Amino acid sequence: GAVVSQHPSWVICKSGTSVKIECRSLDFQATTMFWYRQFPKQSLMLMATSNEGSKATYEQGVEKDKFLINHASLTLSTLTVTSAHPEDSSFYICSASRTSHNEQFFGPGTRLTVL
Amino acid sequence: GESVGLHLPTLSVQEGDNSIINCAYSNSASDYFIWYKQESGKGPQFIIDIRSNMDKRQGQRVTVLLNKTVKHLSLQIAATQPGDSAVYFCAEKGGGGGSNYKLTFGKGTLLTVNP
Repeated sequence: GAVVSQHPSWVICKSGTSVKIECRSLDFQATTMFWYRQFPKQSLMLMATSNEGSKATYEQGVEKDKFLINHASLTLSTLTVTSAHPEDSSFYICSASRTSHNEQFFGPGTRLTVL
Repeated sequence: GESVGLHLPTLSVQEGDNSIINCAYSNSASDYFIWYKQESGKGPQFIIDIRSNMDKRQGQRVTVLLNKTVKHLSLQIAATQPGDSAVYFCAEKGGGGGSNYKLTFGKGTLLTVNP
């Protein structure tokens, strides 16, 4: 149990376009989902925390208008990178937990490359 | 321009040897710690956790040691195998206040197991 999927697993897009990444909890209901970004040879950095049915909480330095997060159901959260630029190229990883204080189960990640 | 400070600590061991991976955590208020394994291009995979009221916990082939006095965590892998080659991250949780549900990841260590 506790499987989290992400779609797509990789995406290449042109500069200026928007990209949507999905995070799904497949076999449990996730009240809270987390979005992380990981640059090459670096650690995971938390971008934002989303609770089902409410607005996401963004970490300091993360532009909420650029990284739109929607957590409309207990099994799905989406991250939309708007007007993507090459510096947004990164590995985006989500995690899901039954409640905000429970164990986080991580997805396999999405590799975004912006040309 | 040259990249600054973006180097993962590395550990290279022979197959069958024991490995010790170290982590210094930052927040003395953290009360829960987790070790994750991340293979290339994949999301983090839970290995073992420990709460702050313990100083040692053992799993299958892995042991985590916690020294709260010096804010140090270590992961010991017995009889290291080539499949153990990955980046290992420690993470801390429970910093108090309104952020005690967040995970903060350490820098990571690249473990390479030579056959």
